[in-house]
Amino acid sequence: GAGVSQTPSNKVTEKGKYVELRCDPISGHTALYWYRQSLGQGPEFLIYFQGTGAADDSGLPNDRFFAVRPEGSVSTLKIQRTERGDSAVYLCASSRQGGNSRRETQYFGPGTRLLVL
Amino acid sequence: AQSVTQPDIHITVSEGASLELRCNYSYGATPYLFWYVQSPGQGLQLLLKYFSGDTLVQGIKGFEAEFKRSQSSFNLRKPSVHWSDAAEYFCAVGGSGNTGKLIFGQGTTLQVKP
Repeated sequence: GAGVSQTPSNKVTEKGKYVELRCDPISGHTALYWYRQSLGQGPEFLIYFQGTGAADDSGLPNDRFFAVRPEGSVSTLKIQRTERGDSAVYLCASSRQGGNSRRETQYFGPGTRLLVL
Repeated sequence: AQSVTQPDIHITVSEGASLELRCNYSYGATPYLFWYVQSPGQGLQLLLKYFSGDTLVQGIKGFEAEFKRSQSSFNLRKPSVHWSDAAEYFCAVGGSGNTGKLIFGQGTTLQVKP
């Protein structure tokens, strides 16, 4: 079946602009995660959705970052007033269910590479 | 705080040689541990995971890992490396609570010499 997909694959924007990054999880997966991977680093957790609600947003770096999942499927990560330091690969992952979700395998998408000039 | 350390940023091995990638974690309770591989242009792929039970875990592509609580380690091994194993490898620990968030190490880049 189809895996996690992310669009766009690459995004170049100017400092101060607004961007939206989209994630389509595996069909039927209720848990969705966003991570950010800077060059030479491992992925860093941003936010976790269980269904439509953000169950853990402790990784969002500041209030310029926001994410939604209105129908419990597709999610959009929104970044306002982008800064050069936001340049990174943004990864999305999904897993079957929440609850004791530490056991669940997370399936990752290919990522969106964001470059802020 | 939970953390993962991968001491080796870059490792080079000859094709056919054995491989061990090191991972040390910091976690208060019983950890949930994972190894992922990331090839250029590809998403992260799960190699194996440990939750409980047998401390030697078998994964895909001939990889295995051993959980050693006394050493807070979860090292990844493969007896004979193939050129296609060249990639970046990430160790991760499941965060506390039920959020499922993963805390990743910095990664180890594996280069395979012919």
